[in-house]
Amino acid sequence: DTEVTQTPKHLVMGMTNKKSLKCEQHMGHRAMYWYKQKAKKPPELMFVYSYEKLSINESVPSRFSPECPNSSLLNLHLHALQPEDSALYLCASSRLAALRGTGELFFGEGSRLTVL
Amino acid sequence: AQSVTQLDSHVSVSEGTPVLLRCNYSSSYSPSLFWYVQHPNKGLQLLLKYTSAATLVKGINGFEAEFKKSETSFHLTKPSAHMSDAAEYFCVVSDLSGGYQKVTFGIGTKLQVIP
Repeated sequence: DTEVTQTPKHLVMGMTNKKSLKCEQHMGHRAMYWYKQKAKKPPELMFVYSYEKLSINESVPSRFSPECPNSSLLNLHLHALQPEDSALYLCASSRLAALRGTGELFFGEGSRLTVL
Repeated sequence: AQSVTQLDSHVSVSEGTPVLLRCNYSSSYSPSLFWYVQHPNKGLQLLLKYTSAATLVKGINGFEAEFKKSETSFHLTKPSAHMSDAAEYFCVVSDLSGGYQKVTFGIGTKLQVIP
């Protein structure tokens, strides 16, 4: 199983809603990532979890709240978002949890978020 | 600090002709280099990777890339383009920074394949 699974594929929410994006991998990877991708742009790193601990937060606004309940799951909780937060949110995982090297990232298909 | 420069934002080729997507990088150490492909409204799929083994790297779907340290380049090639190759391609450099893996994406090259 070499997949990273993201749900939902599409999400429409209002600025006062609370929703969550979910990501799951069963490859035994110990690093997991959230990326944000706007149209015609490369992915931008948001958060990195290494061994279920938050390692990197790229100065992301607090209306985005990541959570890593266990080594296979990664959530992104959304609250009070703005229309400019509309984007494709990509989850990725890698086998080597930082410190040990530079392995490739395995990406999910993404969650397309629209904030009204 | 590391960086990636994809020299062309858009490349157009005819079906059956060669593909060349150019990438230059800078890195303080010995980086790992990757090419990813993204079809519309999809996630990123790894095409190939260089991790300090053979400098000519073969990937999926007939793509290959050559690591040239002297030129700090990692250009992606394919002998004959297929319609299904039309997509966005990202060159990526990965290195250790402050004890953590730091991944930097190029801006992407959109490949158009003309029938």
